[in-house]
Amino acid sequence: EIVLTQFPATLSLSPGERATLSCRASERVSSNYLAWYQQKPGQAPRLVMYGASTWANGIPDRFSGSGSGTDFILTIERLEPEDFAVYYCQQYGSSPWTFGQGTKLEIK
Amino acid sequence: QVQLVQSGAEMKKPGASVKISCEASGYPFTSYYVHWVRQAPGQGLEWMGVINPSGGVTIYGQKFQGRVTMTRDTSTSTVYMEVNSLMSEDTAVYFCAREGSIFGVAIAYDYWGQGTRVTVSS
Repeated sequence: EIVLTQFPATLSLSPGERATLSCRASERVSSNYLAWYQQKPGQAPRLVMYGASTWANGIPDRFSGSGSGTDFILTIERLEPEDFAVYYCQQYGSSPWTFGQGTKLEIK
Repeated sequence: QVQLVQSGAEMKKPGASVKISCEASGYPFTSYYVHWVRQAPGQGLEWMGVINPSGGVTIYGQKFQGRVTMTRDTSTSTVYMEVNSLMSEDTAVYFCAREGSIFGVAIAYDYWGQGTRVTVSS
């Protein structure tokens, strides 16, 4: 199975700053089927990005995704208070679908 | 609007079974696969398996083979997941999630249920 490694584990930033979250796959992600989810405490995850770089419904353009093959990045510009959460990457190109262990984006 | 509504929290003893439901609405039930994902306390997300509501075909994660059964009832647009031989390590929140697609291209999980907390304790 494809193992996804996210880094950093924790990212401490202030509102207004830029966040850069990384996700590295143990092998190439088929068709760049890489998604990012945002999860807040006590809630289900919310799809943020799919296909590595396509916004999910309702996601502001402060969020952007990039990368291909084995290395992917989620960038969040001008952090808003509601952006602070845990972010997971997921590959859905090969079974079993797998998740990274998450990056916690916390307020500095 | 699309909704996935899951059944309520469960408390079970080790060795018991639990069956969780996920009722879909707001879209053609048989047109989208439904996955199950769990999250142990303070941990990340773990994929368990997927069911095709159209024909009922399932794929389970290797870790869950033989212990998990996913079924569906097309008359009520409901997907079920049963976990047998529960252990304390199965204590988690279990989510159902719809595998979205746009023009036939998969877009991962575009809708999620609210989660069902399962606690396994003697």
